[in-house]
Amino acid sequence: AQSVTQPDIHITVSEGASLELRCNYSYGATPYLFWYVQSPGQGLQLLLKYFSGDTLVQGIKGFEAEFKRSQSSFNLRKPSVHWSDAAEYFCAGPNFGNEKLTFGTGTRLTIIP
Amino acid sequence: EAGVTQFPSHSVIEKGQTVTLRCDPISGHDNLYWYRRVMGKEIKFLLHFVKESKQDESGMPNNRFLAERTGGTYSTLKVQPAELEDSGVYFCASSQGRTSGRPAQYFGPGTRLTVL
Repeated sequence: AQSVTQPDIHITVSEGASLELRCNYSYGATPYLFWYVQSPGQGLQLLLKYFSGDTLVQGIKGFEAEFKRSQSSFNLRKPSVHWSDAAEYFCAGPNFGNEKLTFGTGTRLTIIP
Repeated sequence: EAGVTQFPSHSVIEKGQTVTLRCDPISGHDNLYWYRRVMGKEIKFLLHFVKESKQDESGMPNNRFLAERTGGTYSTLKVQPAELEDSGVYFCASSQGRTSGRPAQYFGPGTRLTVL
């Protein structure tokens, strides 16, 4: 079955530290993958997307993600987090044959001073 | 360019009542989607419109949920009668028609529904 897994429910990092949020996918073919962020009181905002081509994708707010077929992963990274990055992050992928997105369970990011 | 908007932002109703949620997609987006996140669970797909037609409604939980998109612009999602398990955040998203590749879906802020 096509699925997206986020193994970490909650991550805490210090402001200024680097960040990596994990996402694993289970698809037969090359998937389309997305990262979304939901800040407190806000809707889901698209951070970045991978369709094909370069496996390192740049997004907004200084985030990037790397598609690794050998590891079935699409991890989100940021070299130095800011307090405003505290939010919930969702990895998502498509269902082949239709347009709906399948979401991971989300990773809640807490930033400590 | 305005993003996806949803109304209301919050709704508190009693079990058995009716609630209607509204979504205005990004102008020109043919695709409109509804998703729901129940507390503590993942975001789940409900249905997909292409213009005014229902393309996929496989995620609709039961016949108490009715979605419409008259004229292919805004959409409404009605829950009648509401049950306790309907509580959650209802998201709407829209995307352009597929010309090449898979267009990204842009989400609204969500409507938080609480059924008492």
